[in-house]
Amino acid sequence: GQQVMQIPQYQHVQEGEDFTTYCNSSTTLSNIQWYKQRPGGHPVFLIQLVKSGEVKKQKRLTFQFGEAKKNSSLHITATQTTDVGTYFCAGPEETSGSRLTFGEGTQLTVNP
Amino acid sequence: NAGVTQTPKFQVLKTGQSMTLQCAQDMNHNSMYWYRQDPGMGLRLIYYSASEGTTDKGEVPNGYNVSRLNKREFSLRLESAAPSQTSVYFCASDRINYGYTFGSGTRLTVV
Repeated sequence: GQQVMQIPQYQHVQEGEDFTTYCNSSTTLSNIQWYKQRPGGHPVFLIQLVKSGEVKKQKRLTFQFGEAKKNSSLHITATQTTDVGTYFCAGPEETSGSRLTFGEGTQLTVNP
Repeated sequence: NAGVTQTPKFQVLKTGQSMTLQCAQDMNHNSMYWYRQDPGMGLRLIYYSASEGTTDKGEVPNGYNVSRLNKREFSLRLESAAPSQTSVYFCASDRINYGYTFGSGTRLTVV
């Protein structure tokens, strides 16, 4: 079945450093979604990318969707302690447009 | 406040006990989902409902049942709890192109 993989699983950075997490799907995706989950919290939708090669920015966060629509990345510039949490990518299953397959997430810790 | 409401927030069960996790959304979404989250394993789909009156199995349905009572409510039932069902359970609903809205979760421990 469809697999969505994320690397790295964990990332520790000093405040002010940049951070990138990568997402790879075993199948071509119609779109890719990103979520953030704070420690002890629930996942919160950040963004959806639809077009091949699409790049979107939200303040210090930059999201990219690969040309082949099988990979994506999230880059955070100059991390802050408020960025702490786990970042998940998710893509729709091939047989159902609404059901998402989630990656295992990248857990980010930021040392002040 | 608009969103997804889950109850209870915490629960401890003894092996073999049953319980129902409740979920309600007030955003008029058609699709609703139940996920479980275990350390290092991300979010795994248990059951989902594409619309009122329909339910389908996800990746890990064994030991669970669901009911889509109406458009707002989607409940998850554990008939005979097992320690392997110790997890955090999230309910979610979605609107196309706007992503999933998750509830705050139920932290379940089975002893």
